This record gives sequence, C-alpha cells and structure tokens, in this order.
Amino acid sequence: DTGVSQNPRHKITKRGQNVTFRCDPISEHNRLYWYRQTLGQGPEFLTYFQNEAQLEKSRLLSDRFSAERPKGSFSTLEIQRTEQGDSAMYLCASSPREGLSYNEQFFGPGTRLTVL
Amino acid sequence: GQQLNQSPQSMFIQEGEDVSMNCTSSSIFNTWLWYKQEPGEGPVLLIALYKAGELTSNGRLTAQFGITRKDSFLNISASIPSDVGIYFCAGSGSYQLTFGKGTKLSVIP
Repeated sequence: DTGVSQNPRHKITKRGQNVTFRCDPISEHNRLYWYRQTLGQGPEFLTYFQNEAQLEKSRLLSDRFSAERPKGSFSTLEIQRTEQGDSAMYLCASSPREGLSYNEQFFGPGTRLTVL
Repeated sequence: GQQLNQSPQSMFIQEGEDVSMNCTSSSIFNTWLWYKQEPGEGPVLLIALYKAGELTSNGRLTAQFGITRKDSFLNISASIPSDVGIYFCAGSGSYQLTFGKGTKLSVIP
C-alpha cells in the first residue's frame, strides 16, 4: 500500500497524559499536513511541513501541541497534558511539491483520540 | 476557523437517482476539491478543480469550479448504494485546505 499511513489508528488516554501520533506520507510527496476533525465537522488545518521545515501553524495548535518532521519523511504530532477537548480524529495528509497537483492532498486513515 | 457553506447537510435518495450538492464561500479560492469520507476513515479525494468555470468528470461524478471562484458544485449520476458517505468540499488558496461541514448522503436500495 503506497498511501498515507497513520499509527496508531485509535488511542484512549487519561486526561493529563501525553500522546504521540505518527504519519508516514506518500514517499514522493514532500509536503505534509496535519488536520483535526471533530464530530459533524470538516477537517481543520493544524500545521504544514515542506520537507523538514514547519512553515505554518494554525491558532488551533496550542502550546501543548508540537509537530516534527526531522528527516523530511515521517512526521509526529505530540499532545502534552491532554484535555478532554483534545478528543478528535487527527488526520495527516501529503501532497506533491510541484505542478498543479501540489494542492491535491491525500489523507491517511486518521488517529482517533479519546481523552477520558 | 473559517468554513465553507455546504448544502444540503444531508440527503436521502433512491438508488438510481441523481444527486447535486454545492459549496459557497465568502473568499476566493485557487483550487476547489471534493472528498468523500466513510465512517472511521480519512477523506478520499474525488475531484480537483483548478480554473474558474472548469467542469471535470470522474466516472459518475461531475464537479464545476464557479466563475466567481467562490463556489463549486458536485453532481453524482445514477447513485448506487456504495455512494453512501459524507461528501466534503474544500477550497485552497495556497497550502491549507478549508473544508465545508459536509453533505451526508444516504442511498435507499
């Protein structure tokens, strides 16, 4: 399977714990995005990487959130001191660098986070 | 954050019927995309539109990029049970996608 993969698919944690999610993009894509989706809503943009550089962060990305893409390949999203309001589906997407299709973002299956 | 206005919110249709849904925005976008999402999965890209007025088809799906660059519609012809899901429009100015709230489609066999 050459699509975007995310691990884990589901995570249940207690409030106050730290969690980390991983995203592996499509191999030839150099752009990587994180989105958050809550029930009944469309995905909302969190952050964007071009290669290893984090170029943009949304206001939604509080200080408790940090994302990395150390070698320009896979990315991790960490949430520290989780709160119940962090419960959501966290989606990763990737897109090619050049050409018209750079806006075509391909999504992974998501990580469903539940904070108890 | 900003979201697109997508309508209708939900639709119940008979198998074989055609479906139309649309999306409007107060902002101009350079690209419009349509995705389908099934429960527990990520959105799957259906169609991407790059030019104002562009009409693009993908099998039974047809989408158009509005002339004003502030709207788009998606048509599905001859619906089948596997068309069930939530359809999202998304607009892009540069890198981030701004999504609508989705249209939930139910197909009655």
